[in-house]
Amino acid sequence: AQTVTQSQPEMSVQEAETVTLSCTYDTSENNYYLFWYKQPPSRQMILVIRQEAYKQQNATENRFSVNFQKAAKSFSLKISDSQLGDTAMYFCATRNSNSGYALNFGKGTSLLVTP
Amino acid sequence: KAGVTQTPRYLIKTRGQQVTLSCSPISGHRSVSWYQQTPGQGLQFLFEYFSETQRNKGNFPGRFSGRQFSNSRSEMNVSTLELGDSALYLCASSLTPGGESPLHFGNGTRLTVT
Repeated sequence: AQTVTQSQPEMSVQEAETVTLSCTYDTSENNYYLFWYKQPPSRQMILVIRQEAYKQQNATENRFSVNFQKAAKSFSLKISDSQLGDTAMYFCATRNSNSGYALNFGKGTSLLVTP
Repeated sequence: KAGVTQTPRYLIKTRGQQVTLSCSPISGHRSVSWYQQTPGQGLQFLFEYFSETQRNKGNFPGRFSGRQFSNSRSEMNVSTLELGDSALYLCASSLTPGGESPLHFGNGTRLTVT
């Protein structure tokens, strides 16, 4: 089974600053998909950004971008110009054919954005 | 377009009872997946349905079951509830089961077993 590791259980950042959340994973597959999901106190899991492993270009969605290092099996999330509404749990997840494309989640990083 | 709708939002049951949770996917989405979220185990995959057929199953006992209807709505059932079944149950829908189709989640059903 794939293992997804998020080494930072909690992080804090000031409003307008930049923060990077780490994620590493273990897979024997060559083609797979990577995701970052955000879960605010409302509980809904919201897709932040996705990356196909066969694409070398790092994905970007507005203030959110990833640093995908395939050889190192690393997939970090950078949040620029942090906003109070970014406060949430962030989960890194993978999908591949080996698991029938079920999402395999890390334990999450709790991000607090302070004024 | 309406998002994924899960009902009810909260449930309180006692040990030994059974429970049914409901999920309505985004219109046009034919794949529905279920996940269990607990503080100890994190997010774990339960099962996935596509075109009324279970196409993938996680490592959960047979007390956990599900089904999907012709309109893509899905239900999951847990029989003989145990205290450890207390969790947030999340439903997600996608256009297709493949990895290229992102999952969109509902707000979840919070189940408490006493």
